[in-house]
Amino acid sequence: NAGVTQTPKFQVLKTGQSMTLQCAQDMNHEYMSWYRQDPGMGLRLIHYSVGAGITDQGEVPNGYNVSRSTTEDFPLRLLSAAPSQTSVYFCASLSGIIGELFFGEGSRLTVL
Amino acid sequence: DAKTTQPNSMESNEEEPVHLPCNHSTISGTDYIHWYRQLPSQGPEYVIHGLTSNVNNRMASLAIAEDRKSSTLILHRATLRDAAVYYCILRAGIIQGAQKLVFGQGTRLTINP
Repeated sequence: NAGVTQTPKFQVLKTGQSMTLQCAQDMNHEYMSWYRQDPGMGLRLIHYSVGAGITDQGEVPNGYNVSRSTTEDFPLRLLSAAPSQTSVYFCASLSGIIGELFFGEGSRLTVL
Repeated sequence: DAKTTQPNSMESNEEEPVHLPCNHSTISGTDYIHWYRQLPSQGPEYVIHGLTSNVNNRMASLAIAEDRKSSTLILHRATLRDAAVYYCILRAGIIQGAQKLVFGQGTRLTINP
C-alpha cells in the first residue's frame, strides 16, 4: 500500500515551458486535491476533485489545469510556467467525508 | 469557508505539556475540527479531529470549547520530534462542503531540549 505518490520530486523549468506533476493514490479515495506551499507559508488549495470526471477550483487556480479521468490519478498541469509558480506542490487524498487527508511527499518545482 | 486563527509561533520545553490554541468563531454546526502537523521538509500528517466532545488518540488530545468557537490541541509530553507547524482546519460534515479544505498559516512549535 503506497498511499499517495507524487512524481517528480524535483523539477527545474524555464519560463514558458509546460509540464505535468503526477499524483496517484491506491486507497480508492474519491477526493483528491493539489496544494502549493511557498517558503514560510501555509498550504494553499489549487484544485480539487470529488471523483472521476469532477474537478473544481481552490484558492489559487490560475495557471494550473487538472483533470480526473480515473479514481487513482489526479495530474496537475502547468501550461506555461512562470517564476511565480516556484513552490513545493503537495497532492492529497481524503478518506471519506470526515476522515483524514493523506499527503504525498511533495514535488519541488523551480521556474527560472 | 469558516476561518481559523492560530498564533504564529509557540515554544515549549521537552517533556512538558503543550497547549496549542485555535479560534474558529464562525464555525457552523456541521464543521469538524481537524488538526494536522507538518514536520520539516515533509507533507502534512493527520493528528486528530473532533466535532463536539474532547478526543484522545495516541498522538494528542483535542479539547473543544462548549460553544465550539475555540479548541486546543494538547501534546501531553512534548519531544523534539514534535517540533513542527501545526494547522487547525475546519471541515464541513456534509457531502458538498466536505471537500474544500483550506489551511491557514498554522503555529510553528519549537521544542527546547
